[in-house]
Amino acid sequence: DIVMTQSPDSLAVSLGERATINCKSSQSVLFSSNNKNLLAWYQQKPGQPPKLLIYWASTRESGVPDRFTGSGSGTDFTLTISSLQAEDVAVYYCHQYYSLPLTFGGGTKVEIK
Amino acid sequence: EVQLLESGGGLVQPGGSLRLSCAASGFTFISYSMAWVRQAPGKGLEWVAILNSISGNTYYVDSVKGRFTMSRDTSNDTVYLQMNSLRADDTAVYYCAKGVFQGGIRVAFDTWGLGTMVIVSS
Repeated sequence: DIVMTQSPDSLAVSLGERATINCKSSQSVLFSSNNKNLLAWYQQKPGQPPKLLIYWASTRESGVPDRFTGSGSGTDFTLTISSLQAEDVAVYYCHQYYSLPLTFGGGTKVEIK
Repeated sequence: EVQLLESGGGLVQPGGSLRLSCAASGFTFISYSMAWVRQAPGKGLEWVAILNSISGNTYYVDSVKGRFTMSRDTSNDTVYLQMNSLRADDTAVYYCAKGVFQGGIRVAFDTWGLGTMVIVSS
């Protein structure tokens, strides 16, 4: 199984400041057939289902603000919120879809400082 | 508009059964792989099962193999999760999710339902 390890568990950032979330997979999720990393990021607000933000490690889902950026390759990935807004308060999860069982990181809670 | 609507959750005793349903609309149902993902109270996300839209094959996390069965009815655009021999650690919100691309199981999930709560308790 591919273990997804997120850090930090939580972070508090001032409005307008940058938030950075890390995700490390226990093995590479780079799919050789299309040279894409099978890594997604989701945002989950309280009482709501997860919302897809990023797939293929860096492709922003339609309608997602450009302050959300995914980067990384192989085993190390980052989600960056360039200028934190109040509506970005949520838990963020990384997810590998390279192999079964599909696995998620433990989540990172983002709050306003 | 793409939508997923789960139903069928509830309170069940250990050892009991439930069948969850997920009604899909707004997309070509047969073309997209579908999955169930659960979230125990206050915990993170756990993938449960996925149905490959191309082959119709289903895959499960080890903890539910032999107990849960995922299926689909293309005549009414619905996926199901039959859950047998339920245990306390199956207690969770169960989400239905749609693959972002047509076909295959190597997909992220771009649409999620609101979830249905399953509580396994005596």
